[in-house]
Amino acid sequence: DAGVIQSPRHEVTEMGQEVTLRCKPISGHNSLFWYRQTMMRGLELLIYFNNNVPIDDSGMPEDRFSAKMPNASFSTLKIQPSEPRDSAVYFCASSRVFRPYEQYFGPGTRLTVT
Amino acid sequence: TQLLEQSPQFLSIQEGENLTVYCNSSSVFSSLQWYRQEPGEGPVLLVTVVTGGEVKKLKRLTFQFGDARKDSSLHITAAQTGDTGLYLCAGATMNNNAGNMLTFGGGTRLMVKP
Repeated sequence: DAGVIQSPRHEVTEMGQEVTLRCKPISGHNSLFWYRQTMMRGLELLIYFNNNVPIDDSGMPEDRFSAKMPNASFSTLKIQPSEPRDSAVYFCASSRVFRPYEQYFGPGTRLTVT
Repeated sequence: TQLLEQSPQFLSIQEGENLTVYCNSSSVFSSLQWYRQEPGEGPVLLVTVVTGGEVKKLKRLTFQFGDARKDSSLHITAAQTGDTGLYLCAGATMNNNAGNMLTFGGGTRLMVKP
């Protein structure tokens, strides 16, 4: 089975530009999580979905961040406008309904905002 | 806020040595996971412990969940260079909206030298 797929793997953009990160969870998994990882703050949960419905977005830093899950096989995380402090590695993870605490991570998107 | 503290933050040892990594919290978790992350990749799930006092072995790795389900340890016997990586513990808490959120520790960065 394919694992969690994320695109792009690397993104370099200028401050003020819109950035869209994409994720395809593992087929059959019904929970999806977006995380951000930095050296200073470690791995932080931004938002998660159950059955395509956002459950908890308390980790989203501010209104510049938004996430959608239009169907069970696709999710996006958008930053508009982007700022240099958004530079980080963004991970998507998914899990099964019967073992929601066992999360499988994608390879991440390394975002650099200049 | 539920915090998971890992110690040590950094560990550099010679191949063949033993080591123990600790994960501590003042909060009780329904389960605890250990992940290993290599550079440029997402965290990979190693093990889940659920019952207080539980011990699980994965080849040379031994994982223990504290009796009160607030802490955990990872012991590696006869470390190999392939064990090099970032080790993350993550505690699961039940969300009232039928989801499990993970709180990640800050990680232990292990380097095993040949």
